[in-house]
Amino acid sequence: DAGVIQSPRHEVTEMGQEVTLRCKPISGHNSLFWYRQTMMRGLELLIYFNNNVPIDDSGMPEDRFSAKMPNASFSTLKIQPSEPRDSAVYFCASSLPLGGQETQYFGPGTRLLVL
Amino acid sequence: AQSVTQLDSQVPVFEEAPVELRCNYSSSVSVYLFWYVQYPNQGLQLLLKYLSGSTLVKGINGFEAEFNKSQTSFHLRKPSVHISDTAEYFCAVTLNYGGATNKLIFGTGTLLAVQP
Repeated sequence: DAGVIQSPRHEVTEMGQEVTLRCKPISGHNSLFWYRQTMMRGLELLIYFNNNVPIDDSGMPEDRFSAKMPNASFSTLKIQPSEPRDSAVYFCASSLPLGGQETQYFGPGTRLLVL
Repeated sequence: AQSVTQLDSQVPVFEEAPVELRCNYSSSVSVYLFWYVQYPNQGLQLLLKYLSGSTLVKGINGFEAEFNKSQTSFHLRKPSVHISDTAEYFCAVTLNYGGATNKLIFGTGTLLAVQP
């Protein structure tokens, strides 16, 4: 298996622009997670899905952020409009739900820089 | 509320020396415990996990961790480190309440810096 695939790997954009990050989970995994990592705040869970349904979006910072999972093999995280403080590495992870015992498999991340 | 504390933000150590990375957690229910490792410019990957049974858990790359319920700790150890072990190490917990899937609660991470 190719593992979790994220695109793009790097994104540089200007403040105010829309940014879309993409994730393809491991085939057969029913749970998908979006994380953000910064030096100041560490690793933060933004949202997670189970069977394509958002379960907990309490970590989404504000209305500028939205996430969708239209099918079991694809998810997007959108920021509109983007701001410099959104600069971070965004990770997608997937897992098979096992009541909390599951291992999460992380993608390589998208490094976002908002100028 | 549940929380994970990694007191050491950075641990410098010489190659071939032993190392211990500390992790304490707080929870009112039983938990599952994990250590993940993040190498430079990569995503996180599982090092080891404690689910039940023996409190000493062995993971990849010669690492092991011991679950201590009375001290609510899950410290990570390696008897002899290599330069290639230089990475960020994250302790994490999930809650054992029988849900289908549970979110990981991560600590703030410990940077292990192995020097020659």
